[in-house]
Amino acid sequence: DAKTTQPNSMESNEEEPVHLPCNHSTISGTDYIHWYRQLPSQGPEYVIHGLTSNVNNRMASLAIAEDRKSSTLILHRATLRDAAVYYCILRALGSSNTGKLIFGQGTTLQVKP
Amino acid sequence: DGGITQSPKYLFRKEGQNVTLSCEQNLNHDAMYWYRQDPGQGLRLIYYSQIVNDFQKGDIAEGYSVSREKKESFPLTVTSAQKNPTAFYLCASSTADLSNQPQHFGDGTRLSIL
Repeated sequence: DAKTTQPNSMESNEEEPVHLPCNHSTISGTDYIHWYRQLPSQGPEYVIHGLTSNVNNRMASLAIAEDRKSSTLILHRATLRDAAVYYCILRALGSSNTGKLIFGQGTTLQVKP
Repeated sequence: DGGITQSPKYLFRKEGQNVTLSCEQNLNHDAMYWYRQDPGQGLRLIYYSQIVNDFQKGDIAEGYSVSREKKESFPLTVTSAQKNPTAFYLCASSTADLSNQPQHFGDGTRLSIL
């Protein structure tokens, strides 16, 4: 499975937009880009995923570079509840796919009031 | 409400003891997964099941066992062979074993050694 690289930590002010970057230079053409977040002492929560085009949902937006070697998760207005560890994960299609998620270290987002 | 329920929230194990962690889902999902999370680390896959009465080992299956007798249930047993069982255990499910389907997670069970 291809690897992702994320900054260890980021800070944001409440009600400001947050851009969380992810590098995945070895991504293959069939890899989906998934984002999950995990609040303290809770299970991870699905945020968004995409393949090639930018994606929007009620939680966030996902901007994917044209060469797909990087992506950015965008929280339009950060709230205190958005403070969490954010994981960028690549999931490959294919007969050998187990469906497992391969978690890296993620980015710890702090939101200041 | 639909979701995944893990119990208990906290569990303590004595030396040489087997303990079983419960995971129940009412989302009608076919696939279920067990992950382990150590402090400050990401999740690692222990076992997964794509269909009733079938399951496969993940990356760190040694010292663990599972069963999948019912679609909605996927219990995990931490055996005495697991020498370092202290961790946060997370159960997940998804509609199918496809890369574009999100996984839904429970709130976890925190296991400690007495």
